[in-house]
Amino acid sequence: NAGVMQNPRHLVRRRGQEARLRCSPMKGHSHVYWYRQLPEEGLKFMVYLQKENIIDESGMPKERFSAEFPKEGPSILRIQQVVRGDSAAYFCASRGTENEKLFFGSGTQLSVL
Amino acid sequence: GEDVEQSLFLSVREGDSSVINCTYTDSSSTYLYWYKQEPGAGLQLLTYIFSNMDMKQDQRLTVLLNKKDKHLSLRIADTQTGDSAIYFCAESLYGQNFVFGPGTRLSVLP
Repeated sequence: NAGVMQNPRHLVRRRGQEARLRCSPMKGHSHVYWYRQLPEEGLKFMVYLQKENIIDESGMPKERFSAEFPKEGPSILRIQQVVRGDSAAYFCASRGTENEKLFFGSGTQLSVL
Repeated sequence: GEDVEQSLFLSVREGDSSVINCTYTDSSSTYLYWYKQEPGAGLQLLTYIFSNMDMKQDQRLTVLLNKKDKHLSLRIADTQTGDSAIYFCAESLYGQNFVFGPGTRLSVLP
């Protein structure tokens, strides 16, 4: 039973490029959360999605960042025109509908050169 | 708004008990959690407690909840070097919106 899968594990981008981070939730989970962690800091909530719906995007920057969780396929966190300040670890987590436990993936480390 | 606070650092000697403390502000929280993060890894759910409980024990881990003071603690008995990690406290309302603390970095000294 695979856990939450994130890829790529490491992503290097130059300033101005686009970054796409993928997250496949645990089997049977339809709720996905994205968090950002800066070095030596805690987790910052970004967005909460259910299949085909954004439930809460209060933590997402207004520009350049978007997220989706289509009916089929993984959830995608997209960062356009990346800047050095976007360098961070991005974690995805998922849970089931009747489940209070949140499970995390191993994260994607984004480095912007 | 909701807030979760933790001390940032804790050092203990191998074999001693560790106690990591957490305070939260949302009195309507229904679940409280402890997660462990090792270097370069994601967060691993260690244990969690429903808000109508005041204690939960799982092998070397003991969780204490004081709902009146909104205080949660995690005690690790016989702390080992493998317990060195960052420990995050979190709260949720019916398993939906999760709020995490800043994490406590536990260092276990030989």
